[in-house]
Amino acid sequence: AQSVTQLDSQVPVFEEAPVELRCNYSSSVSVYLFWYVQYPNQGLQLLLKYLSGSTLVESINGFEAEFNKSQTSFHLRKPSVHISDTAEYFCAVRASGAGSYQLTFGKGTKLSVIP
Amino acid sequence: ETGVTQTPRHLVMGMTNKKSLKCEQHLGHNAMYWYKQSAKKPLELMFVYNFKEQTENNSVPSRFSPECPNSSHLFLHLHTLQPEDSALYLCASSQETYGYTFGSGTRLTVV
Repeated sequence: AQSVTQLDSQVPVFEEAPVELRCNYSSSVSVYLFWYVQYPNQGLQLLLKYLSGSTLVESINGFEAEFNKSQTSFHLRKPSVHISDTAEYFCAVRASGAGSYQLTFGKGTKLSVIP
Repeated sequence: ETGVTQTPRHLVMGMTNKKSLKCEQHLGHNAMYWYKQSAKKPLELMFVYNFKEQTENNSVPSRFSPECPNSSHLFLHLHTLQPEDSALYLCASSQETYGYTFGSGTRLTVV
């Protein structure tokens, strides 16, 4: 079984400042990792994912996350945030084996961007 | 549209009512899920269907009854709900190595 820990439930940050949202996971097998974003009154949207290959993955809106196997982490970063980034962010993990399709989600981190 | 459509978007129902939530996907995914999202609580997985067969029921009360008539449609039938069942109900689908695609959710209020 897998588990996910998002260490911060809320992160306030000023506009144009950098941000890091932390995610740690535990698993006895190889994993795939995901970040989802949820805007108010909406469902979750896939932001980025790590399946294999380069440990640094990027999204189209400037976020990036780095898979660190030794530290079992998949932190999400953005060098300069915008007001529109205000949302809740969920880290998720699943086993990479065939038939292992079920995701385990963290409790979420609410990012508030302050003008 | 995200590829997963949920209806209705909002639902207010009394504790004695019977209603159904609908989820539809035409992404060719073979697994579908119901999640409950309450304020100040983490996402709760309720039901998992894989190729139309229910593979998981996370100790959900019997007042919630899922139905998956085919791989594209998923329903959640509701009856005699309690006020604490008020939440955002999210449907998702997935296909093997990819992550989930979520619908926009149904905001349920039980009065």
